Amino acid sequence: DTAVSQTPKYLVTQMGNDKSIKCEQNLGHDTMYWYKQDSKKFLKIMFSYNNKELIINETVPNRFSPKSPDKAHLNLHINSLELGDSAVYFCASSNRWTGRMNTGELFFGEGSRLTVL
Amino acid sequence: SQQGEEDPQALSIQEGENATMNCSYKTSINNLQWYRQNSGRGLVHLILIRSNEREKHSGRLRVTLDTSKKSSSLLITASRAADTASYFCATDAATGFQKLVFGTGTRLLVSP
Repeated sequence: DTAVSQTPKYLVTQMGNDKSIKCEQNLGHDTMYWYKQDSKKFLKIMFSYNNKELIINETVPNRFSPKSPDKAHLNLHINSLELGDSAVYFCASSNRWTGRMNTGELFFGEGSRLTVL
Repeated sequence: SQQGEEDPQALSIQEGENATMNCSYKTSINNLQWYRQNSGRGLVHLILIRSNEREKHSGRLRVTLDTSKKSSSLLITASRAADTASYFCATDAATGFQKLVFGTGTRLLVSP
């Protein structure tokens, strides 16, 4: 059984289009994330949701709008796609850290490779 | 930025040799984690070391942490071709909610 699943795995689209990536986790975690990995493999956090509430928003352009309908799902919608949005987008999940005894490893999906032409 | 730097950027060794990767970071942390990424795949958690720990082992992996130097190292002993992957360190400095910041990664190639 897949723990964190993302769809689609590949997405090729034209500049200016709007697209969505979906993510689901069946681990019972209460926190989900979107990370962006660029062509140089740099991995940067974009958003984090805890129990459907946005808790981290890393100065991402407002063309990117995450949505969490429930704690098992976190989707990413991107408006007016630009060439620089081409990257691999990773969804991840973990349990909320409530103190110094953090045992929260992140579980990653397989990534969604977005190519903007 | 808090993003860590890893050294070397790329490492090429023969099977059976040991591989050492280093990670430096900038801010105080609560813990540091190492992840592995095979080509075209997602990241997989390897090991976590807390700020009050100095060394940790897991199978062929050995991680050290020096908070005074803000650095960590990952040692893979007796490497295998299947260890070929990119390795990332990730630091967690946030309070309340987890926010992992990843390093730049080391690409490891293990040749048979």
